[in-house]
Parts: sequence; C-alpha cells; structure tokens
Amino acid sequence: DAKTTQPPSMDCAEGRAANLPCNHSTISGNEYVYWYRQIHSQGPQYIIHGLKNNETNEMASLIITEDRKSSTLILPHATLRDTAVYYCIVRVSNDYKLSFGAGTTVTVRA
Amino acid sequence: EAQVTQNPRYLITVTGKKLTVTCSQNMNHEYMSWYRQDPGLGLRQIYYSMNVEVTDKGDVPEGYKVSRKEKRNFPLILESPSPNQTSLYFCASRETGSPPYGYTFGSGTRLTVV
Repeated sequence: DAKTTQPPSMDCAEGRAANLPCNHSTISGNEYVYWYRQIHSQGPQYIIHGLKNNETNEMASLIITEDRKSSTLILPHATLRDTAVYYCIVRVSNDYKLSFGAGTTVTVRA
Repeated sequence: EAQVTQNPRYLITVTGKKLTVTCSQNMNHEYMSWYRQDPGLGLRQIYYSMNVEVTDKGDVPEGYKVSRKEKRNFPLILESPSPNQTSLYFCASRETGSPPYGYTFGSGTRLTVV
C-alpha cells in the first residue's frame, strides 16, 4: 500500500476555504485516493475519493496532481462543525480494509 | 436514512462476562467490518464479512467472534472480555465491486472492561 503523509495540524478561519494537503509519492496506477474525517470519537465519515481526475461533491473538492503524487482536499467554506481529524488514504478499489494514519487535525476558528 | 446502527454506545463490564455488540445496516451492503480504535494505534480491523455466512479475520481477531446470518446484521461477540479489549469499536459497511465506494460507519461503542 502506498503510504501517505499529512501535516499533523492546521487552523482555518470560519467561512474561508480549508486546503488540506496529502503526499502519496509511491502511489501506484490502480490506487485511489480516499478522504475521511472523524469528529471527536464519532464514527469516521467518508468525504470523497478519486483516481486521476479532480472530483467534487456536496462536501468537498479533491484535486489530484497530474503525476498523482499528491492531492489536496478543499473544504470550500469551512464551518465550526468541520473541526475534525482528516485522513487521506490510498487503496486499490478491491482492497476493503481501511487503516488510518495520524491524519491532520483541522481546527476551524470563529 | 442510510445508516449503520451500533448498540450500545457505552458499555462497562467485568472481566469474563460475555457480551455482544450489535451492528445493523439498512443499505443492503454486502461488505461489513469491525474496527477498534485505540490512542496511538489508529484504526485496526478485527473481522470482516464479504457476504452472508462469509467472515474472515482482520488484523486483531484474538478474543473476538462474529457471525453473519443475515445481510443487515453483523454482531461482535466477546466471549470472555479482558481489560485489553477496552477500546472504541466501530462497525462499518460498504458496497462491493466497482466503482469503489466509501464506507459508512456506525457511531461507535465505547467499551470498558474492568
């Protein structure tokens, strides 16, 4: 499995965009990038995933670089409820097991 | 509402007293899994099930049992709980096949074994 590297923490102002980076320089061609978040001791929540193209849904946007070695999760208008630990995971589509690293603790401040 | 329901949310028990944590999903997902989460160790898979009557061990199966008699239910059984099973437990489910899908997690069960 490709490993991912994320900054341990970041702050964001409420109402501004939050850009969360993830490095996955050893990603292979058939591995997807997934993002989850976990709000204090609640169940992890799936946010978005992508393979090559940029993706957008109602929660966030995912920008994957052309060489696929890194990606950025964008929360377009962060709210206080977006305060959570965000996890970037790389997996092939038929690998069902999840394992989270330390993730990025995002604190949204008023 | 599509969801995974775990019960109970909190449980304190004594060493050796058998317990069951229930998990039910209403999305007709084939794949279900149990995870435990401990500080500094992240999320670790206990058992998983690809479909009814098909279960397999994850990374930390010792001391746990599961069953999958119906598609929607995947209970976690601790036959003789010990203090090292004190943890936060999550049940999760997802669709199988392509395209790849994200997991839906339950709200968690915080178990304390004294």
